[in-house]
Amino acid sequence: AQSVTQLDSQVPVFEEAPVELRCNYSSSVSVYLFWYVQYPNQGLQLLLKYLSGSTLVESINGFEAEFNKSQTSFHLRKPSVHISDTAEYFCAVTPYGQNFVFGPGTRLSVLP
Amino acid sequence: DTGVSQNPRHKITKRGQNVTFRCDPISEHNRLYWYRQTLGQGPEFLTYFQNEAQLEKSRLLSDRFSAERPKGSFSTLEIQRTEQGDSAMYLCASSQRSIDNEQFFGPGTRLTVL
Repeated sequence: AQSVTQLDSQVPVFEEAPVELRCNYSSSVSVYLFWYVQYPNQGLQLLLKYLSGSTLVESINGFEAEFNKSQTSFHLRKPSVHISDTAEYFCAVTPYGQNFVFGPGTRLSVLP
Repeated sequence: DTGVSQNPRHKITKRGQNVTFRCDPISEHNRLYWYRQTLGQGPEFLTYFQNEAQLEKSRLLSDRFSAERPKGSFSTLEIQRTEQGDSAMYLCASSQRSIDNEQFFGPGTRLTVL
């Protein structure tokens, strides 16, 4: 079985500051890793994913995440956040072709 | 629009009533998933279909819950004899059968049981 931990339930940060949202997972098999974002009153949207290859993956809106196998982590970072990044962020894992296991989410609040 | 759609978006019902939700996946996707999300939690898997076959059900899915996907296209999730603990956001997602199983989510149906 798999589990996902997101240690920070809420992260307030000022606009243009850097941010890191932490994700750790547990699994007895290899997994694929995802970050989904949920803006207020909207459905979940894929932000980025790690399947294989380079351990650093990037999204089109400036987020990046690094897969660390030894630490079983997939932390999400952005060097400079905008007000529009305010949302809930969910880390998820899936064994090959199977169901997603989501973390409890981190609410990112970007303050002016 | 070719995204996942869900109806209704909101449902308020009295305890003991039955409710049914509908999900229309992306047309070429053969996998369809149902999740439940409560306040402050991530989505929890309920069940999934590959085409019309229901392949897995979570232990969260009590006997009061039933899901169907009769023609391998849209799906319905029915909750019988609703309880206050059923209040949640019910999410539907679909995917192609692919190595990473990337799922595309609908906007959800918010159920409130009074």
